[in-house]
Amino acid sequence: EIVLTQSPATLSLSPGDRATLSCRASQTVLSYLAWYQQKPGQAPRLLIYDASNRATGIPARFSGSGSGTDFTLTISSLEPEDFAVYYCQQRVNWPRTFGQGTKVEVK
Amino acid sequence: QVQLLQSGAVVKKPGSSVKVSCKSSGGSFSSYPITWVRQAPGQGLEWVGRVIPLLATARYAQKFEGRVTITADTSASTSYMELSSLTSDDTAVYYCARKSSSIPDEYYQFWGQGTLVTVSS
Repeated sequence: EIVLTQSPATLSLSPGDRATLSCRASQTVLSYLAWYQQKPGQAPRLLIYDASNRATGIPARFSGSGSGTDFTLTISSLEPEDFAVYYCQQRVNWPRTFGQGTKVEVK
Repeated sequence: QVQLLQSGAVVKKPGSSVKVSCKSSGGSFSSYPITWVRQAPGQGLEWVGRVIPLLATARYAQKFEGRVTITADTSASTSYMELSSLTSDDTAVYYCARKSSSIPDEYYQFWGQGTLVTVSS
């Protein structure tokens, strides 16, 4: 099973700040990695797939990069609605796995 | 627009089984896998398994093998996830999810609202 390790666990930032979230895989996932956003009481929302492709309706301030074992989600300028938990997910191997999440909170 | 509507919250006794449903509307049901993901209180997301309705084939995370059954009824556009031998560790919100037609398999664009399964004596 591929283990995805996200860092940091918590990111304390202010609106307008740049957020950089990391996801590291225990073995290569090529570019088969997605990012999701989840707010309390809601289902996850797909942001990025195949490492760098924005899903439908996702604002341009969200971008993804990386390949192999190291990936980054960047939010260029945090909006109030961006404070949430973010998960990465791989689809290269079974079972599909998720990272443990990074919480982006208001500083 | 695809919508996934799940059955309501349930409370189960340890050792019993639970069956959660996920009804799809607004898109082709048979062609796309339906995946089940769970989330224990305050915890992260955990992939449980998936079914391809057209083929009636399912795949499960090894952790749940022998205890979970995921099925699909194409005539009702509904998937079911049944989990047996429940323990308190199975207390979680269970989500169904599927891709959209424009993205690769195994990325989850559409999600159900979640079903809280509470296991308690």
